[in-house]
Amino acid sequence: SQQGEEDPQALSIQEGENATMNCSYKTSINNLQWYRQNSGRGLVHLILIRSNEREKHSGRLRVTLDTSKKSSSLLITASRAADTASYFCATDGYSSASKIIFGSGTRLSIRP
Amino acid sequence: SQTIHQWPATLVQPVGSPLSLECTVEGTSNPNLYWYRQAAGRGLQLLFYSVGIGQISSEVPQNLSASRPQDRQFILSSKKLLLSDSGFYLCAWSVGTANYGYTFGSGTRLTVV
Repeated sequence: SQQGEEDPQALSIQEGENATMNCSYKTSINNLQWYRQNSGRGLVHLILIRSNEREKHSGRLRVTLDTSKKSSSLLITASRAADTASYFCATDGYSSASKIIFGSGTRLSIRP
Repeated sequence: SQTIHQWPATLVQPVGSPLSLECTVEGTSNPNLYWYRQAAGRGLQLLFYSVGIGQISSEVPQNLSASRPQDRQFILSSKKLLLSDSGFYLCAWSVGTANYGYTFGSGTRLTVV
C-alpha cells in the first residue's frame, strides 16, 4: 500500500533557522497532507496540497509537491520553540480516497 | 462547530481483559471515521475506517474490532487484550473523502500489563 516516508527521521535546529522535511511516497495520489503532533497529543492538520498543485503556502509553512518524483517537502521558516513536534506526511490512494496513510514522521527539535 | 471526543485519555488494562474505546463526533453528519494506532516514536497505523453506520473496513488483521452503531459514534473493542495491543490510539474523522484533511481526537494511551 502507498505510504509516505519522511526524511530525516530527526532534525535539530537553532531557533530562527528554517527547517526542511521531505516525504516520498510510492503510488499515485489525489492529495498529500502534512500534520503536526505534539508529544502525547493528537495530530493537527497543517496543510493539504493537491496532485495538480506544485507549491502551497500557509503562514510560515511552505509545501512543495513533485508528482514526477513522488516527493514533497515541508519548509518551516523562522522556526520557533513552539514548532518542536513530530511532523507527518500522509497520502491518499488514487483509487481509495476515503483513507490516508501516514509516514513514520520527522521529529523536529528547536534549540533556543 | 465540529468537535471530536475520545476517551479515556489513559488506560491500563491487564492481559486478557476486554477493551472498549469510544469516539464521538459533533457538529457534522455522515462523517468518515477512523481508528489509528501509534507505537512509541513511530508513525500511525490505520486499523479501521467507516464510511457509514455499520460499515467497517479492517486494514490489519489483529486482535481488535470496530463498530459504528450510530452515525457519529465509533467504537474500538477487544475481547482479550494482548501485550502487543499497547499503544496510542487515535480516532479521526473527515468529511467525505480525505480531501479536506482529518480532524483527530486527543488520543488514548493504552498500556496492557
